[in-house]
Amino acid sequence: QAQLQESGPGLVKPSETLSLTCSVSGAPLTNNFWNWIRLSPGKGLEWIGYISFSGSTNYNRSLNSRVTISVDMSKNHFSLMLTSVTAADTAVYYCARGRYDGSGCFYLDSWGQGTLVTVSS
Amino acid sequence: SYGLIQPPSVSVSPGQTASITCSGDKLGDKYASWYQQKPGQSPVVVIYEDNKRPSGISERFSGSNSGNTATLTISGTQAADEADYYCQTWDNRAVVFGGGTKLTVL
Repeated sequence: QAQLQESGPGLVKPSETLSLTCSVSGAPLTNNFWNWIRLSPGKGLEWIGYISFSGSTNYNRSLNSRVTISVDMSKNHFSLMLTSVTAADTAVYYCARGRYDGSGCFYLDSWGQGTLVTVSS
Repeated sequence: SYGLIQPPSVSVSPGQTASITCSGDKLGDKYASWYQQKPGQSPVVVIYEDNKRPSGISERFSGSNSGNTATLTISGTQAADEADYYCQTWDNRAVVFGGGTKLTVL
């Protein structure tokens, strides 16, 4: 089982860039898909995007223009950048490992504990 | 973009069976997974690939998926099962979540 841990600032000012890192232990980043998901107050889970074992990325269309996910294999961590944030980006942000078996089933089997990011001046 | 619809809330009495549905266009042609999230905790997958249980998940949790609807069934519901439940599928290489269902054990 992989262990994941999010880190980064808990407070970001409006219009600035949110940056988070997910440190992974117990699993190499050279396998599977590495995801960011968020849970906003009073709302449900929202998938932000992933970076795959091959380095390809895919993002939620609603956030596509503001999101970048990258990976640092040497540190076994991956990162999220979300630009031009507003209060609507206030949420608990989770990183998670995605498993894909090739037959069409993709699910998230390991999650970090989550980190609250508040957007406020 | 693809959408999944869940009822906002479901109530069940202790010991009874709870069923939570998830609807999407031809969802039965895709795979569905289910996550349990308790307040202040991270989500945990309880069903994947329609009906498979990860190691450590109680046999009381089961799943099915056919037509346009996937269903999570919890038998012998306990107070500890009270949580938010989310369905999830994979469409055009993107992860899609349902809106979530709050399960209340009365």
